[in-house]
Amino acid sequence: GAVVSQHPSRVICKSGTSVKIECRSLDFQATTMFWYRQFPKQSLMLMATSNEGSKATYEQGVEKDKFLINHASLTLSTLTVTSAHPEDSSFYICSARVAVGQGGRVSYEQYFGPGTRLTVT
Amino acid sequence: AQSVTQLGSHVSVSEGALVLLRCNYSSSVPPYLFWYVQYPNQGLQLLLKYTTGATLVKGINGFEAEFKKSETSFHLTKPSAHMSDAAEYFCAVTFTGGGNKLTFGTGTQLKVEL
Repeated sequence: GAVVSQHPSRVICKSGTSVKIECRSLDFQATTMFWYRQFPKQSLMLMATSNEGSKATYEQGVEKDKFLINHASLTLSTLTVTSAHPEDSSFYICSARVAVGQGGRVSYEQYFGPGTRLTVT
Repeated sequence: AQSVTQLGSHVSVSEGALVLLRCNYSSSVPPYLFWYVQYPNQGLQLLLKYTTGATLVKGINGFEAEFKKSETSFHLTKPSAHMSDAAEYFCAVTFTGGGNKLTFGTGTQLKVEL
C-alpha cells in the first residue's frame, strides 16, 4: 500500500514553455501532498505544501506564479512549471502525507513518488 | 528552527563490513526522525523512523538507528553491508505540530566495495 506515482518520469521542453507534472496517490487518499526539487547530488528542498481544496503554501523564495500547484482531488496534485527556463531543470519529487497510529498516538509519514526529471533546453 | 547535519557526504565500506552513517539534529521540541534511501533517478524510500517510545528503531533491509537525546544523534547502522546497499541516504527531521514538513540533511552517498 501507500504507493505514489508521478507522471511523466522524464520531460524535455523548450525554454518559455510550460510543463505539468502529476502526482497521484494510487491506493489511498491524501489531503496533503508536498513538492520538492532536488539538484544533482544535493538534498531535497521543499517547495510547497499542497492541500486538497485550498491554496498551496509555498516556502520562502519559491515563486508561486511560476510553480503553480493544484490539488483538486484527494488523489491528485499537479505542479505546473510556467515559462520554464534552463535554471528550472531539476529533479522534482512529490510526496503524500499519511496519518499512522491510532487514538492519541497519531503521527504522519510521507510516501514519495519516483520523481520527474525536467530538462529545459 | 530545526536542522539536520549528516557528517560525511561519502562513505565507503567493504561488503560485509559495518555500515555507520551519522546524523545529528537540532530541534527545540521533541523531534520525529527519519532515514530515507534514494537509488539513482528514483524517489525516496523510508528505511525507518523514530517518533516516540523505544529509542532503538529497526527498519527494512537490516538497518537500524538509535535515538540519543543527550547526543542529539540518530545514526544509521547495518551490521553487514551488501552491494545492494549502495545508494544515497538522507536523514530527516520533523516535529509534532509541524505539519509533517520534513527538513532533510545533505545526504550521504554509500559506496560498497568488494
